[in-house]
Amino acid sequence: QKEVEQNSGPLSVPEGAIASLNCTYSDRVSQSFFWYRQYSGKSPELIMSIYSNGDKEDGRFTAQLNKASQYVSLLIRDSQPSDSATYLCAVNTGNQFYFGTGTSLTVIP
Amino acid sequence: NAGVMQNPRHLVRRRGQEARLRCSPVKGHSHVYWYRQLPEEGLKFMVYLQKENIIDESGMPKERFSAEFPKEGPSILRIQQVVRGDSAAYFCASSPNLPGLGNEQFFGPGTRLTVL
Repeated sequence: QKEVEQNSGPLSVPEGAIASLNCTYSDRVSQSFFWYRQYSGKSPELIMSIYSNGDKEDGRFTAQLNKASQYVSLLIRDSQPSDSATYLCAVNTGNQFYFGTGTSLTVIP
Repeated sequence: NAGVMQNPRHLVRRRGQEARLRCSPVKGHSHVYWYRQLPEEGLKFMVYLQKENIIDESGMPKERFSAEFPKEGPSILRIQQVVRGDSAAYFCASSPNLPGLGNEQFFGPGTRLTVL
């Protein structure tokens, strides 16, 4: 079983819609959770970090964490074409950071 | 503020040569991580270093790969006797804090290694 699993997509949403990205992780002792955005050929860019159960909002982005279900999600409101990228979920367990393989998002104008 | 810097951005080596990749963390960050990313695959953890110490190298291949983060200067990932399977993007990330709360990682632009 992979440490972090994401639906690889591709996920397509129309401009202005809400994009919902999901991630599950296997290790219950994981402490910190992150969402990164990666454009093709570029490096990952940190979007959100979340450490406790519940929601965390930052602009158009909302991260949700449910440790009991070992589930992390990212909502992108009012999606823009510039949001089209691969979104990586990352989980910190001990000294290591485990990344999912990413969900490809396309926002259609 | 300068972010994480990596050089070279692109590196071409022939089989059997050595590849040396450099990473300068964000100023003030003393925690450095190296990752490898193959096309269409996720980031794979390789090694976690603090100044002058290797903390966790469990993701590093046992042979040909080594990493260091000296007291002065950049962190270096060294690959000896490269093979075609080493062709990948290698990313360095730095963090200001120990693993745990508040330990966001910030990535450099990566070094794309091509082995001919």
